[in-house]
Amino acid sequence: KAGVTQTPRYLIKTRGQQVTLSCSPISGHRSVSWYQQTPGQGLQFLFEYFSETQRNKGNFPGRFSGRQFSNSRSEMNVSTLELGDSALYLCASSLYQAKEETQYFGPGTRLLVL
Amino acid sequence: GDSVTQMEGPVTLSEEAFLTINCTYTATGYPSLFWYVQYPGEGLQLLLKATKADDKGSNKGFEATYRKETTSFHLEKGSVQVSDSAVYFCALNLPGGTASKLTFGTGTRLQVTL
Repeated sequence: KAGVTQTPRYLIKTRGQQVTLSCSPISGHRSVSWYQQTPGQGLQFLFEYFSETQRNKGNFPGRFSGRQFSNSRSEMNVSTLELGDSALYLCASSLYQAKEETQYFGPGTRLLVL
Repeated sequence: GDSVTQMEGPVTLSEEAFLTINCTYTATGYPSLFWYVQYPGEGLQLLLKATKADDKGSNKGFEATYRKETTSFHLEKGSVQVSDSAVYFCALNLPGGTASKLTFGTGTRLQVTL
C-alpha cells in the first residue's frame, strides 16, 4: 500500500506570495493532519481534516488554511508569505477508527520564503 | 497545558552501546504515547507506541514503557548501530480527543559512530 505523498517536495517563494501544498493520504485513511516543523519552534500542529471538515485547529494565524476533498486528499494554503513561514510542512494521515489511531507521515514539503 | 519534555541532544554513542532517551509528559488525562524517528531529509516514521499504563511498545530493537506513576516514556535500545543515527521525537495525543493532534517534544539527535 502506498504511503502518504506530498507535493511538491521543495518550493521557493518570495514574501507576500501565496502557496498551496498538497497531500494524498494512505488509501482508506480519512483523517489528514498538517504540521509545521522549524528549528526554532519544533513540530507544531496546524489543523486536521476529517470527511472534508476541519475538526481541530492549532494556534496559527488565519493566513494558514486548508481543505479536504471527497477523496480525502488535502491541500493547505498559506497567503501573504512571511520569512518566518520557511519550514518543513508535514502531512499525516490516519484511519480514525479508534481514539489511539496512529498517524503516518509523508516526506514533507520544504518551503523557503525569500 | 499538555506538553512533552525530552532530553537535550545530541547524544553521541559508539556502535553497540546502550541507548536511553528520556521523555516525560504532562497531560490532563491518559494519553497515548509515541516515538517517531526522522532520518535526514525525510518525514517522520512511527517507531513504537503505547496506549495505556504499563504497556510496552517495541520495534527494531527499541523499547519504551508507559509509566503513569512517573509520567515517562523513555526510549531504550540495547545495542545501537550507525544506521540508528537520526532525530527521535516523543509525542502524545491529547486525552479525550483523537490521535490526530499530536503534541511533540523538541527531538533528540542521536549520532552513532564506529
